[in-house]
Amino acid sequence: GNSVTQMEGPVTLSEEAFLTINCTYTATGYPSLFWYVQYPGEGLQLLLKATKADDKGSNKGFEATYRKETTSFHLEKGSVQVSDSAVYFCALMTSYTGNQFYFGTGTSLTVIP
Amino acid sequence: EAQVTQNPRYLITVTGKKLTVTCSQNMNHEYMSWYRQDPGLGLRQIYYSMNVEVTDKGDVPEGYKVSRKEKRNFPLILESPSPNQTSLYFCASSPLGQGTETQYFGPGTRLLVL
Repeated sequence: GNSVTQMEGPVTLSEEAFLTINCTYTATGYPSLFWYVQYPGEGLQLLLKATKADDKGSNKGFEATYRKETTSFHLEKGSVQVSDSAVYFCALMTSYTGNQFYFGTGTSLTVIP
Repeated sequence: EAQVTQNPRYLITVTGKKLTVTCSQNMNHEYMSWYRQDPGLGLRQIYYSMNVEVTDKGDVPEGYKVSRKEKRNFPLILESPSPNQTSLYFCASSPLGQGTETQYFGPGTRLLVL
């Protein structure tokens, strides 16, 4: 079946530290991969996406590369800010099983000054 | 302003009392979906719809109903709510394409079933 596994949180970092949030997936067919971000009290917003192997999604200093060989889509940022504090969700969608979305459990990030 | 709206935002009800959570989008999106968010479980898809009169079950459809009579609206119906349906619910919509769609999420509805 399809599923997404994210690293457990919470994660606490100092401002300007390097961030990695691991995400691996299991999927039938060739999924599209996404990172969504949820700020406190809000709905989810798309952060970045990649639709095929070796694609790199990037936005607001965040990056993730679609690695088919390791079935991974790790999120990285070189220098985090306090405003990056949020919950981050990895997700996949595959039209092979009917355009259904699968989300990871979310990783809470807190950045301290 | 392009948006997904949900109502109500907060709801307290009792076991067995039927309720409906409305969802509306003004972006002419074909795809709409309902999720529930629970601690430690992330988001799980309840139902989704790829167009008017077309709905499909997600991962956790039991105890829920949906309908898609108009493109802009996708209400979630709990015919007989139970305490295990206490959760945070999100509606989302997206254009339908080749699997690259961005989903736009509503602000969420927090439901407590006593």
